[in-house]
Amino acid sequence: DSGVTQTPKHLITATGQRVTLRCSPRSGDLSVYWYQQSLDQGLQFLIQYYNGEERAKGNILERFSAQQFPDLHSELNLSSLELGDSALYFCASSPRGLVSGEQFFGPGTRLTVL
Amino acid sequence: DAKTTQPNSMESNEEEPVHLPCNHSTISGTDYIHWYRQLPSQGPEYVIHGLTSNVNNRMASLAIAEDRKSSTLILHRATLRDAAVYYCILRDTDKLIFGTGTRLQVFP
Repeated sequence: DSGVTQTPKHLITATGQRVTLRCSPRSGDLSVYWYQQSLDQGLQFLIQYYNGEERAKGNILERFSAQQFPDLHSELNLSSLELGDSALYFCASSPRGLVSGEQFFGPGTRLTVL
Repeated sequence: DAKTTQPNSMESNEEEPVHLPCNHSTISGTDYIHWYRQLPSQGPEYVIHGLTSNVNNRMASLAIAEDRKSSTLILHRATLRDAAVYYCILRDTDKLIFGTGTRLQVFP
């Protein structure tokens, strides 16, 4: 158990809908990262927040957005969902977001878009 | 981000040592070498990292070539639980850029 929690574990929805994925980092960790894992694209970095502020952006679509709240939990919002958004979404956290530091991954949310 | 090259798959027998290679010929002086693994149906898990010197921890050892253009993750005694995809990642920023990794199969 990494100490990172993600809810829900599974989500099934229809095209065009909007969903919110939630992540609670390990206690005390200031940095939160979101990753997407699909069969054709592998594991891809989406976005990083550090202490409430966006720090880095990766291959995140404009239909996706994220935020980190004062209690440090984070939410990833996916809107106008398409079939291709079906994937595993992982959240990770680290104490200070250092290059030399370790990231702790949650168990993931499996999103299925029908 | 600098690129790494790993074999697609490797096999090992239980209780034997495993050497997982990674080539990173375009590594820069500030790149850390990180290894993560992903067990089936789980999120990635940190294994080890290093900059220039060889590193050991309870999970594995990391051997880094003198010119830093390659590295090897060493599992000293493979167990069935070590069957996973192993990712070698060069890191000069906070984010992790995953490649395709090496799928390790461990046979009893």
